[in-house]
Amino acid sequence: DAKTTQPPSMDCAEGRAANLPCNHSTISGNEYVYWYRQIHSQGPQYIIHGLKNNETNEMASLIITEDRKSSTLILPHATLRDTAVYYCIVKVEGFQKLVFGTGTRLLVSP
Amino acid sequence: DAGVIQSPRHEVTEMGQEVTLRCKPISGHDYLFWYRQTMMRGLELLIYFNNNVPIDDSGMPEDRFSAKMPNASFSTLKIQPSEPRDSAVYFCASSLYTDTQYFGPGTRLTVL
Repeated sequence: DAKTTQPPSMDCAEGRAANLPCNHSTISGNEYVYWYRQIHSQGPQYIIHGLKNNETNEMASLIITEDRKSSTLILPHATLRDTAVYYCIVKVEGFQKLVFGTGTRLLVSP
Repeated sequence: DAGVIQSPRHEVTEMGQEVTLRCKPISGHDYLFWYRQTMMRGLELLIYFNNNVPIDDSGMPEDRFSAKMPNASFSTLKIQPSEPRDSAVYFCASSLYTDTQYFGPGTRLTVL
């Protein structure tokens, strides 16, 4: 069973920041938060992951609340190519199984 | 790097036929995963290998499905006999111990 809750869909204007929330209220102390996305007809793509500190890479930023019960993926300047389904997954680092939920379908419009 | 390679990209077959899907992982990766994606069930892990050895096949739906990894650069997922409910997109992914999984483009299977 997926351990995360995400809104089914979100809209964002091109060039604006896209903030995708994820609730994981039952997260354990050794579980990380991972984000993947799936652009239409393609395989999922890794974006970012973190434990409790905020993380940033060339694709996105991950903000995890202090109690670790929720997080937000931020795409700072969304483009049309960011239209995709975004999956938030919690798992223990080193444990290989990814359990995908239903994700958030992000639509970036001109 | 060419990434994870899957073949064929599309497969249309008739019920009862044998179907073989193929995957070439990224060179040097020691984990290989097979997933299935349908509208009804989403993205599901079927089986994964570590160093060519099957580690967890609890997601394999039934005995009609089998997967092999004869060497580090090749894996197959076989369905025999195929049924219409097996129609789905099948993804292969590979990873090194660092956890990030790299997915292939998928094989769209249609069983008539």
